[in-house]
Amino acid sequence: DAGVTQSPTHLIKTRGQQVTLRCSPKSGHDTVSWYQQALGQGPQFIFQYYEEEERQRGNFPDRFSGHQFPNYSSELNVNALLLGDSALYLCASSLRGRETQYFGPGTRLLVL
Amino acid sequence: DQQVKQNSPSLSVQEGRISILNCDYTNSMFDYFLWYKKYPAEGPTFLISISSIKDKNEDGRFTVFLNKSAKHLSLHIVPSQPGDSAVYFCAASAGNQFYFGTGTSLTVIP
Repeated sequence: DAGVTQSPTHLIKTRGQQVTLRCSPKSGHDTVSWYQQALGQGPQFIFQYYEEEERQRGNFPDRFSGHQFPNYSSELNVNALLLGDSALYLCASSLRGRETQYFGPGTRLLVL
Repeated sequence: DQQVKQNSPSLSVQEGRISILNCDYTNSMFDYFLWYKKYPAEGPTFLISISSIKDKNEDGRFTVFLNKSAKHLSLHIVPSQPGDSAVYFCAASAGNQFYFGTGTSLTVIP
């Protein structure tokens, strides 16, 4: 039973660039949520996708956008990167969005 | 606006003793609570959950207690083992959005 997978594991970008992170949910799950975890903090909710639509969004600017594909996998896009976007980006999957979320290993993004 | 708070950044416990991790929340609309464990370089791993209609849920060595009137959640680990050393996050939800605390780093001393 494949768990949540994310790619890439690490990424280095410069300010102003754009980045795309990818996530494949746990087998049988149809909902994907994205979180940003800064150093020393808990995960902060970015948004959630279900049935290829953004269902809920946290307090993040429009530079953060996403997409969900028919196979339930998802992408997180961040435009015009800022130094403060440096963080661990976690993807979590669940069934119907209301149930327990299972996390992937994360993508570590460093913005220079 | 931190709606879920873990006020103890770290905790050290002797192997075999009880570990008690605490969590407070402010939003009375939260109706589902979870605990996650996180090792370095890995994503959080689900441990145990509890809905607001219960005040206790047990799974092996792990028990979660919910005190709704105090808006307080705790995780008890008995007996503690060195492999339990990790960062523990509590999370709460009202609907589809989950809110996490800042984590407590547990060290179990052999």
